Amino acid sequence: SQKIEQNSEALNIQEGKTATLTCNYTNYSPAYLQWYRQDPGRGPVFLLLIRENEKEKRKERLKVTFDTTLKQSLFHITASQPADSATYLCALDGGNTPLVFGKGTRLSVIA
Amino acid sequence: DTAVSQTPKYLVTQMGNDKSIKCEQNLGHDTMYWYKQDSKKFLKIMFSYNNKELIINETVPNRFSPKSPDKAHLNLHINSLELGDSAVYFCASSLGIGGTEAFFGQGTRLTVV
Repeated sequence: SQKIEQNSEALNIQEGKTATLTCNYTNYSPAYLQWYRQDPGRGPVFLLLIRENEKEKRKERLKVTFDTTLKQSLFHITASQPADSATYLCALDGGNTPLVFGKGTRLSVIA
Repeated sequence: DTAVSQTPKYLVTQMGNDKSIKCEQNLGHDTMYWYKQDSKKFLKIMFSYNNKELIINETVPNRFSPKSPDKAHLNLHINSLELGDSAVYFCASSLGIGGTEAFFGQGTRLTVV
């Protein structure tokens, strides 16, 4: 069965630095990969979607890369701020199946 | 305007009871889902509905029965609640299945005592 791993359960980073979160997967060939943000007590909120034939996608301070050979996606937040502190979820998107989520990485940006 | 709304937000009940969680979306989406997030924060798909039809039913006990009276609503009924059912349940919707963002409700924290 497909497996998705976000290999840091928690990540602490200094304000102003770039946070890099990793998502690896096996036994799957997703057509897309999505990233979500989840704050405590709330539902996940969509951030970015990247297609299998796209290498990189940007949105403001966010950047996502997708390497289908390595079966890996990297999620970057540049110039991180304390308000970026949250749990970030990676999700595999098969194109015709519901999203399969990783366990998430809890990011803490320290002022 | 809340895009996906679930009620109640909190639900505390005794083992053996039957309870329902309601979900409504005002986005005009065709597809709705129920996800379960356990104590380890792992978000797992339970059911998928497209145009009121059940299309995906993951390995979920028969005690869980979703019902979609119309495209905008997907309710979750749980019979004979067990301690292990304690979790946060999220409703979500999307334009279709795959290739599009999902919108999540605020979650329902179910505690079975």
